[in-house]
Amino acid sequence: ELKVEQNPLFLSMQEGKNYTIYCNYSTTSDRLYWYRQDPGKSLESLFVLLSNGAVKQEGRLMASLDTKARLSTLHITAAVHDLSATYFCAVAVNFGNEKLTFGTGTRLTIIP
Amino acid sequence: NAGVTQTPKFRVLKTGQSMTLLCAQDMNHEYMYWYRQDPGMGLRLIHYSVGEGTTAKGEVPDGYNVSRLKKQNFLLGLESAAPSQTSVYFCASRSGGPTEAFFGQGTRLTVV
Repeated sequence: ELKVEQNPLFLSMQEGKNYTIYCNYSTTSDRLYWYRQDPGKSLESLFVLLSNGAVKQEGRLMASLDTKARLSTLHITAAVHDLSATYFCAVAVNFGNEKLTFGTGTRLTIIP
Repeated sequence: NAGVTQTPKFRVLKTGQSMTLLCAQDMNHEYMYWYRQDPGMGLRLIHYSVGEGTTAKGEVPDGYNVSRLKKQNFLLGLESAAPSQTSVYFCASRSGGPTEAFFGQGTRLTVV
């Protein structure tokens, strides 16, 4: 059974600092997704990573995928308060098996 | 463009009562999912569907049933609600291939 682990689970960081959230998964995957969730809200898609070495960037967020290590990272550069949210990674295994398995999430708090 | 719409948004049930949550999408997506979100546990897949008339079990299917009689609708039923089913329920849909899932706004269910 696919397991998806994120760390850290909680992250409190100062504005202007850099940090990385890690997502490890247990079996070979076709696709990895990153989502953002604000408190009391739904999930919003951030990135879709499809191949080994894939890197995507949007503003202060950059996601990468290493399929050999079964690891994805979400890097935050020069954090600002607006990035405070819970971030989830999700993994799909094999085209044709369309289950999406989510990690437990990382609650990020940016402190002024 | 409504996207994914969940009905209702809030509900309080007494133990043993039944109810149905409705998920409707207007994007002609093949795949639909029901997740539950509990503090510290991320999103856990309850059931999913890869097309009209098909359903499959996810990680935590016990106590729930689903139906996908029409492509645009995915219903989640609780036959006899239990306090352990108190949670926030999210529906999601996606098209085939390496596409992201779009989420509804969630249903907050409390079973007393």
